[in-house]
Amino acid sequence: EVQLVESGEGLVQPGGSLKLSCVASGFTFSAYAMMWVRQAPGKGLEWVSAIRDSGWNTYYAESVRGRFTVSRDNSKSTLFLEMDSLTGEDTAIYYCVRGCGGDCYWGLFWGQGTSVTVSS
Amino acid sequence: DIQMTQSPSSVSASVGDRVTITCRASEDIGNWLAWYQQRAGKAPKLLIYRASSLQGGVSSRFSGAGSGTDFTLTINSLQPDDFATYYCQKGNSFPLTFGGGTKVEI
Repeated sequence: EVQLVESGEGLVQPGGSLKLSCVASGFTFSAYAMMWVRQAPGKGLEWVSAIRDSGWNTYYAESVRGRFTVSRDNSKSTLFLEMDSLTGEDTAIYYCVRGCGGDCYWGLFWGQGTSVTVSS
Repeated sequence: DIQMTQSPSSVSASVGDRVTITCRASEDIGNWLAWYQQRAGKAPKLLIYRASSLQGGVSSRFSGAGSGTDFTLTINSLQPDDFATYYCQKGNSFPLTFGGGTKVEI
C-alpha cells in the first residue's frame, strides 16, 4: 500500500523558516517524481513544487521560487521542502504527492497533509 | 503562464442528476489535463488524466472530454459521495496550475 506521511508542521513567524518532510513507503520511491501542493484555509489547490525521480530536475511555482527548495533522499525514501522567508500567504496545508512515473506528474497518491501557519 | 479557469464555481444538484463542469486553459494544452475530487477535510483524489483517461478504481460515472483549451468533467447519476469540490490541473508544462475549483453541492 502506498503511504506518504508528511511531518514538520508548525507555527512560524513571518520571515522565518521551516522544513517539511514526507516519508514514502509501499513503492520504489526512486522511480517516481514527487510534488508539493498546498491549500490555504478555505481556498483551492496550489501547485508548489516538483522534483524528478533522480532529483536532478526541480520546478517551482512563481510564488515560492527563490524561497522554497525541494529535495529528496532516495536512500531514505524521503521528500523535503525547505521554506524560507515565510509570509502569511504561505499559511496552508501542504500535501506531499506522488507522480505517475519518473518524469510524470499526475498526482496519483497524496499524503494526509501537514499544516503550516505563518503568524506573529 | 497558462491560466486555468473553471466554471461554474459551484453547482447545486440532486442525487441521480448529471453534472458537467468546464475547465478552460488560456492556451492550447493538448490533452494534458487532469481532474481531481476533494471531499471535505480530505486529500484530493485523481479521477481523470490526459483529459479522458479514467484513473483505475474510479467509477465509470465520471468521464472527461476535450482537448486544446476546453475541457469538461461529467458526473452521471450523482451519488452522495460525489458531493465534493472538483479541480482541473494542466500537465503539459510547469507550472502545473490548478483551476479554481467547482463545488458540487446538494
